[in-house]
Amino acid sequence: GAGVSQSPSNKVTEKGKDVELRCDPISGHTALYWYRQRLGQGLEFLIYFQGNSAPDKSGLPSDRFSAERTGESVSTLTIQRTQQEDSAVYLCASSLIGGLLGNQPQHFGDGTRLSIL
Amino acid sequence: KNQVEQSPQSLIILEGKNCTLQCNYTVSPFSNLRWYKQDTGRGPVSLTIMTFSENTKSNGRYTATLDADTKQSSLHITASQLSDSASYICVVSVSYGNNRLAFGKGNQVVVIP
Repeated sequence: GAGVSQSPSNKVTEKGKDVELRCDPISGHTALYWYRQRLGQGLEFLIYFQGNSAPDKSGLPSDRFSAERTGESVSTLTIQRTQQEDSAVYLCASSLIGGLLGNQPQHFGDGTRLSIL
Repeated sequence: KNQVEQSPQSLIILEGKNCTLQCNYTVSPFSNLRWYKQDTGRGPVSLTIMTFSENTKSNGRYTATLDADTKQSSLHITASQLSDSASYICVVSVSYGNNRLAFGKGNQVVVIP
């Protein structure tokens, strides 16, 4: 498809387990972003990748969270030793030109709904 | 305190009517302001993007306005349709190079027949 693809769409796991979330950005988009959306809350920035530059990890809430991106393609967000407060929708977005100072829109995937039991 | 405040939190309108959603922000320095539409269970979709020099921008039945002096924006929906039922999110881009967006919590709009 032409849009941002995320998998799985839903994930239920037990507290303490590790989870890995995947994002396939739109082909040619150099910038990729991960956000967390808790119920009734605004999106929280987690991490930003731009080409081969060092990622901006300043939004990651703890060292249990990490993300990788291979070149300008797929990205994975890993949460280790999950806690109940990690339950949220994790959204991935990509854009044509890195940097939000310009006018390029972000294209979002439909997210992974993560539930920690 | 959230840097982007939206009101009303939720709104019910009759199909065919107009409505206006408000966004006030404190983010500074400011680069651009975006409105997104998020359907239930879906990712946000961009409606408009405005720089500080733009006062208004339209996308079909959606018209966004921006007053950078008072740090206010509005999104006007004309002749609402059932498919307009969604959360409308106001997003402000911070212009100090760390690629950060400040998100409002959204205006939840329900259009009823």
